[in-house]
Amino acid sequence: QSALTQPASVSGSPGQSITISCTGTSSDVGGYNYVSWYQQHPGKAPKLMIYDVSNRPSGVSNRFSGSKSGNTASLTISGLQAEDEADYYCSSYTSSSTLPNWVFGGGTKLTVL
Amino acid sequence: QVTLRESGPALVKPTQTLTLTCTFSGFSLSTSGMCVSWIRQPPGKALEWLALIDWDDDKYYSTSLKTRLTISKDTSKNQVVLTMTNMDPVDTATYYCARIRRYSSGWYPLDYWGQGTLVTVSS
Repeated sequence: QSALTQPASVSGSPGQSITISCTGTSSDVGGYNYVSWYQQHPGKAPKLMIYDVSNRPSGVSNRFSGSKSGNTASLTISGLQAEDEADYYCSSYTSSSTLPNWVFGGGTKLTVL
Repeated sequence: QVTLRESGPALVKPTQTLTLTCTFSGFSLSTSGMCVSWIRQPPGKALEWLALIDWDDDKYYSTSLKTRLTISKDTSKNQVVLTMTNMDPVDTATYYCARIRRYSSGWYPLDYWGQGTLVTVSS
């Protein structure tokens, strides 16, 4: 069981918007702004899409955006495209053990219909 | 250009010790703020953070696996080594290394990842 809770799957049609939630606790998502989102295509390494809750690395489409409210972070993808179909993982810094640690969500499979 | 590449055995037997090497380029672990982390992913399952080593040789481990993990670095070779003892079939996974940076009051994300190496634990 993963430390952060994500829906197992979401789907949307091309051009639509979808949102993936990531729920943690005050020791991780709620306590720090170190929430990241990763996109993973089958057989590939994860790719950083969002960091520090809402920042996009250079080269990532502005169709990807992130936000946070309390212990829940969200990833929104607007203008869905076929190439967005992938697994998405959230991650958060945590110091619940008093030492730095990172936790991931269980992953969400995005299907573009 | 930052690149990382994992290497190690594809198959280990139960109870054996796994040794994985991450060889990287495009940055130096002698530079203040630079760190390398290991993450694993069982087939069809989620990512799991394992360990981190920083430029100052500080080491951090997953709370649940810390008794089995050791991370070390060879700055001259641009390599980070992870050992995991007492391997079990549940440890079958793709193991990734990734760069992460630390700044004065916080952390940047895992921004560059290797392609991963699949390790199967079976007798």
